Amino acid sequence: GAVVSQHPSWVICKSGTSVKIECRSLDFQATTMFWYRQFPKQSLMLMATSNEGSKATYEQGVEKDKFLINHASLTLSTLTVTSAHPEDSSFYICSAGHSGNTIYFGEGSWLTVV
Amino acid sequence: GEDVEQSLFLSVREGDSSVINCTYTDSSSTYLYWYKQEPGAGLQLLTYIFSNMDMKQDQRLTVLLNKKDKHLSLRIADTQTGDSAIYFCAESTGGFKTIFGAGTRLFVKA
Repeated sequence: GAVVSQHPSWVICKSGTSVKIECRSLDFQATTMFWYRQFPKQSLMLMATSNEGSKATYEQGVEKDKFLINHASLTLSTLTVTSAHPEDSSFYICSAGHSGNTIYFGEGSWLTVV
Repeated sequence: GEDVEQSLFLSVREGDSSVINCTYTDSSSTYLYWYKQEPGAGLQLLTYIFSNMDMKQDQRLTVLLNKKDKHLSLRIADTQTGDSAIYFCAESTGGFKTIFGAGTRLFVKA
């Protein structure tokens, strides 16, 4: 079946540095991918919609200059958290749309900023 | 705007049936989903139902959709301790954008 892979699964970075998270659709092409953030014991909040070959669409309240999204190919979208701070520590998860309106999620990436 | 609501906690005994309920507000929802998230893990798609269906059964899982009341439920038969997880209800109006509920934490007591 369709698989979406995220990398890295876990990352610890120092405050002030940037970190990149990759989301790949392994056996299908995804023109649209989504990035979500999940705080502890809370639901998933949609951050942005990533469109291949064009700029991402950000949800209200999400800083586009802080969370850079690049969707350079039909199988890869990246989320870069720039100048990360401890409050950016969270679980980030991507999803990609597959044929038939089925959505598949990556395994998620745990970011800890120290 | 779009909103998906579900109760936060459910506790059942092993072997009993679990019923997790969800309500949504967007009448144009096309697909409704149930996802499972185990501690420290990503999301697992359990099942989904098209808005023109009222029931879908898949092994121990039964999904009921009342489109008039915008109510969705997930029934897990013969609940096992391994079913303990957070269950997210979600809806999509097409285009793959998905809105999630807050998640229902299912506790299964042995």
